[in-house]
Order: sequence, then C-alpha cells, then structure tokens
Amino acid sequence: DAKTTQPPSMDCAEGRAANLPCNHSTISGNEYVYWYRQIHSQGPQYIIHGLKNNETNEMASLIITEDRKSSTLILPHATLRDTAVYYCIVRAHSGNTPLVFGKGTRLSVIA
Amino acid sequence: EAQVTQNPRYLITVTGKKLTVTCSQNMNHEYMSWYRQDPGLGLRQIYYSMNVEVTDKGDVPEGYKVSRKEKRNFPLILESPSPNQTSLYFCASSLGWDRGTDTQYFGPGTRLTVL
Repeated sequence: DAKTTQPPSMDCAEGRAANLPCNHSTISGNEYVYWYRQIHSQGPQYIIHGLKNNETNEMASLIITEDRKSSTLILPHATLRDTAVYYCIVRAHSGNTPLVFGKGTRLSVIA
Repeated sequence: EAQVTQNPRYLITVTGKKLTVTCSQNMNHEYMSWYRQDPGLGLRQIYYSMNVEVTDKGDVPEGYKVSRKEKRNFPLILESPSPNQTSLYFCASSLGWDRGTDTQYFGPGTRLTVL
C-alpha cells in the first residue's frame, strides 16, 4: 500500500506557483520522499527527491517539514504542460525497493 | 539522447499467442524493471533485474518471464497471454539501487490488449 496521502485533484492558474501537498506520517528515518509525474499515460517522469532538507532543481522545489511527516512540491511558474498526475512516494535506498505509486494528485493548469 | 525505448507501443493479440515486449536503455544502467499500470491499481512491479543474468520477481510476476542477457536489454515475455494481462506496461531503468543512483527513468509505455 502507498504510504502517502495526496488530494485527488487541484487546479492552478498558468504562471502561478503550484503547491502540491503530501502527507507521509509513517515515514521511517531511512526513507526518502520522491516525486514523479505522469502526463496522460506517458511514462512517469522523475521530478525531485529529498530526505529532510529542502531541495530545489530546475523543475521544482521540495519542502519537507521538520518532523518529516509531510512535504510540499512547488512548481514555481506552472505552465499548461505541467498538467499531469503527480505522485508522492516514500522509499528507502536499499536493494530493490520498487516505486509504489498511489493515486496521486491530478493537477490541472488553467490558462 | 539518453532514453528508455519500448516496442511495440501498441499491441492487440489473442489469448495464448506468445509475445515479447522489448525494452532497451542507452544509459549503461544496471537496474531495470517492468511495471504494469491498471485503473485504480496504480503501477505494480512485475520483475526487476539488478544486473546481467540477475532477475527477480516483483509483486505481480505470474504469467510473465524476463531475461537479461545484455545490460541494455530487458525483454518482457508473455508465454500464453490472457485477457487479464491487458494493461499499460512500462519499463524503467536506473544507474543502480542505492542513494544517488536509483532515480528511475521510464519508457513511453506499451499498451497491450489481449482478446
């Protein structure tokens, strides 16, 4: 079972920041938070991951609360091409730990 | 261009007719994996491989076979397809499986229909 809880859907105006929340209250100390997205039945695409510090890359920022029980993915300037299902996943770095995709959040970016 | 490719992208077949879905990556990745995606069930891992000649079962391996004779290729074989294997299939690869190497890159998917 997925260890995360995400809202089923969100809307965001084009050009605005999209803030996608994720709850992972049972996360273990060795588990990382990963974000992937899937655009309309294409292969999932890696976005970002982190352990406890905030992370930023060219696609997004990841904010993890101090107690690590929740996190927020931030797309700073959403475009129509960011419309997708976003998956928050927790997993440890050890051996075969397959990505367990839950239902994710369907983000609709609106012009 | 670094990528994972799958062929065919779409396939309609009949029950019992053996088929192979190919997967190839050009990133010299050691780890490769197959997932299937079904409505309401998310992505589920079928098989994975941590290196050449090393494969193991994922969560839903029944009815599937794989092989890893070369690092770049990881074909998925359905010896006797059945309608419950109708699904969207994804191949994925990563450099390794430890911290810093386990970001998975996915292929474009293969939509399989078994009649």
